[in-house]
Amino acid sequence: EVQLLESGGGLVQPGGSLRLSCAASGFTFKNCAMSWVRQAPGMRLEWVSAIGSSGGSTYYADSVKGRFTISRDNSKNTLYLQMNSLRAEDTAVYYCAKDYYMDVWGKGTTVTVSS
Amino acid sequence: EIVLTQSPGTLSLSPGERATLSCRASQSITSSYLAWYQQKPGQAPRLLIYGASSRATGIPDRFSGSGSGTDFTLTISRLEPEDFAVYYCQQYGSSLPYSFGQGTKLEIK
Repeated sequence: EVQLLESGGGLVQPGGSLRLSCAASGFTFKNCAMSWVRQAPGMRLEWVSAIGSSGGSTYYADSVKGRFTISRDNSKNTLYLQMNSLRAEDTAVYYCAKDYYMDVWGKGTTVTVSS
Repeated sequence: EIVLTQSPGTLSLSPGERATLSCRASQSITSSYLAWYQQKPGQAPRLLIYGASSRATGIPDRFSGSGSGTDFTLTISRLEPEDFAVYYCQQYGSSLPYSFGQGTKLEIK
């Protein structure tokens, strides 16, 4: 079964950091681009970041550029999102998804930025 | 940045009716890199359509996508009770950021 499982969310103070992980199974992870998408409570989906299959190409939304870093470990079938300098507006459910057109999604992990 | 505008914001229909959802882009989306997703409350989105008109694996054939350039449409031919949800369009691979529309809520009339 094709599956994505996010972890690492939680409550963090403004200015803090978190690292999200996404464990992939059931498909050839190293051959697939991967994406992160977030959704603030009651709001639309927001594309956050994407990475090519080898990790050599990375892409970011302007709202997170310079603060978030996407990476992957193809030997561990795991995608990461390092989030620094977190702000209240980063509060959301964060989803990882397979490929640029997101044919498989995880269930999401909740990040809350609050003092 | 490509801005996607979905209409209507809310669509009220009855089971068995036909639903037509629109997604308009602020500039042309190359190679029809346009996807549609369905999201139900408390769930992750589900891919319905990619490449503007290709159905994703396991998606019933009552869902169809069409369009090119700046105008795209998702059609649900005969609504089933489980189809009432929020629908998003997204452009990918054309221009960063890979933006989403604001969503159309399909509700039971």
